[in-house]
Amino acid sequence: NAGVMQNPRHLVRRRGQEARLRCSPMKGHSHVYWYRQLPEEGLKFMVYLQKENIIDESGMPKERFSAEFPKEGPSILRIQQVVRGDSAAYFCASSPYSVWSADTQYFGPGTRLTVL
Amino acid sequence: DQQVKQNSPSLSVQEGRISILNCDYTNSMFDYFLWYKKYPAEGPTFLISISSIKDKNEDGRFTVFLNKSAKHLSLHIVPSQPGDSAVYFCAAGVNNAGNMLTFGGGTRLMVKP
Repeated sequence: NAGVMQNPRHLVRRRGQEARLRCSPMKGHSHVYWYRQLPEEGLKFMVYLQKENIIDESGMPKERFSAEFPKEGPSILRIQQVVRGDSAAYFCASSPYSVWSADTQYFGPGTRLTVL
Repeated sequence: DQQVKQNSPSLSVQEGRISILNCDYTNSMFDYFLWYKKYPAEGPTFLISISSIKDKNEDGRFTVFLNKSAKHLSLHIVPSQPGDSAVYFCAAGVNNAGNMLTFGGGTRLMVKP
């Protein structure tokens, strides 16, 4: 059973360009989360999605950032008109659906975005 | 507003001894806690979790203790091994499916041979 997959692992963009980060959850997992880690800091929640639905986007910046998890294919985190402050490691996590208990989130290897 | 805090940015211990990593939280709604281990350039790896109905959970060399009244949890690693050297993150969540995790800032553990 493959783990959470993210690509690309490294992404370099110039200011003003768009960045697209992809995440494929573990097989059987229907919940996807995106987190951002700035240098020397912990992970900060950005958005929680289920298939075709955004459940909680309270951690997403109001502008330039968007996320989707289509019926088919990976989840996409999209950053438009990137700025230097967007440089960070972006981690995707997935968890299975369970009514009865909190589920452990399993993380992908991350995408390291560098904005020049 | 840091709801989950790891006050020690780093910890150094000798191989074979006990490592104790601490975590404090402020949000009394949290009822599910996890520890993750992270190597450079990799994603966090789940280690161990504990629900608020327990005060201890053990898995091999790793034990997590929860003190709800103090809003404090700790991870004990016994015996510590050089391969345990990594950054350890404490995380907290609310016990409903699909809730986000709130992470502490991490503690860098160095185990010396």
